[in-house]
Amino acid sequence: AQSVSQHNHHVILSEAASLELGCNYSYGGTVNLFWYVQYPGQHLQLLLKYFSGDPLVKGIKGFEAEFIKSKFSFNLRKPSVQWSDTAEYFCAVNASEGNTPLVFGKGTRLSVIA
Amino acid sequence: DAGITQSPRHKVTETGTPVTLRCHQTENHRYMYWYRQDPGHGLRLIHYSYGVKDTDKGEVSDGYSVSRSKTEDFLLTLESATSSQTSVYFCAISETRRGGYNEQFFGPGTRLTVL
Repeated sequence: AQSVSQHNHHVILSEAASLELGCNYSYGGTVNLFWYVQYPGQHLQLLLKYFSGDPLVKGIKGFEAEFIKSKFSFNLRKPSVQWSDTAEYFCAVNASEGNTPLVFGKGTRLSVIA
Repeated sequence: DAGITQSPRHKVTETGTPVTLRCHQTENHRYMYWYRQDPGHGLRLIHYSYGVKDTDKGEVSDGYSVSRSKTEDFLLTLESATSSQTSVYFCAISETRRGGYNEQFFGPGTRLTVL
């Protein structure tokens, strides 16, 4: 069965600091990988996705993630966070074949302080 | 934003009552999903559908049933609501793209409180 582990439950950063959120998954086959963001009181929005090809994926709002197959990892990065990045971030995975449901990590809450 | 609506958006009910949540899409996507979101648990799959009248159980399906009589609607029913079902419920949709990949789009959520 698939599983996703997000290492940090709550991260607190000052504005302009760099961000890296860890995500590791467990699955024996080929996967699709996603990062979703949930701003306070809102629904989930897709930040970026990896299906195949270049393992460095760029998403919206300056976020990027790197798929390292040997480490089963898909860490999210941003060089300089802003107060508006305060949100909860979810890593998710599904099998690359078919429309299998997503398996989510438990989320990382990011608080950016001025 | 994908055309997904959920109703009601907020509901308070009492233990033991049946509750039905509706997810409606205008994207004609084949696949639909129900997740619940709880602090410390992320999102967990309740049920999903891969076509009209075709559904399957997810990780936390006990106490829930679903129905999909037409492409655009996916109903989630709590047969006899319990306090442990207090949660935020999200519907999602997806479709297979060229190359076999897909991404899921999420609705706005329904906040359910069971007293």
